[in-house]
Amino acid sequence: EAGVTQFPSHSVIEKGQTVTLRCDPISGHDNLYWYRRVMGKEIKFLLHFVKESKQDESGMPNNRFLAERTGGTYSTLKVQPAELEDSGVYFCASSQDPDSFYGYTFGSGTRLTVV
Amino acid sequence: EDQVTQSPEALRLQEGESSSLNCSYTVSGLRGLFWYRQDPGKGPEFLFTLYSAGEEKEKERLKATLTKKESFLHITAPKPEDSATYLCAVQAYSSASKIIFGSGTRLSIRP
Repeated sequence: EAGVTQFPSHSVIEKGQTVTLRCDPISGHDNLYWYRRVMGKEIKFLLHFVKESKQDESGMPNNRFLAERTGGTYSTLKVQPAELEDSGVYFCASSQDPDSFYGYTFGSGTRLTVV
Repeated sequence: EDQVTQSPEALRLQEGESSSLNCSYTVSGLRGLFWYRQDPGKGPEFLFTLYSAGEEKEKERLKATLTKKESFLHITAPKPEDSATYLCAVQAYSSASKIIFGSGTRLSIRP
């Protein structure tokens, strides 16, 4: 089975610009998560989709971040306008059920650098 | 506040030299504790889920154990391909949407 796909793998943008990250979960996985690791910190939760609905977005840092999930399939995370502190690695994960018995399957991440 | 602390930050072992990684946690109602492996440039790869104190899970050279305050990842006779960062994470009943990661232990196995 295909894994979780994220693109781009790397993105370098200037402060104030907009960037959109995309995640394609494993087919049939209703649960989709966004996490990120900023420099020197732990991987931290951003939000959780169940199908196309936001189940929990308590980890979103501010209103410059907007996540969508079209038709319960792929998801996008837009940062507008980007700030220097947004630099880091953004991971997407998916799971068939929220109980995590089989764990989440993570993508390889998008490394975002804001200069 | 729920949190996870891993130690040591880094560990270098000789091939075949067994050791253990520690994960201490504080959580309001543990729903599950997870171990992940992460290789450079990759996302975390799921290893184990533990649910209750006394539980143990094994996979090849790895064994994970759980108490009420901490978890250990025991590595027996490691090989160079076991080199990676090992991440511990917890999920609380109060916020089942998310898992809280520790900062990880970077494990390096010398041939």
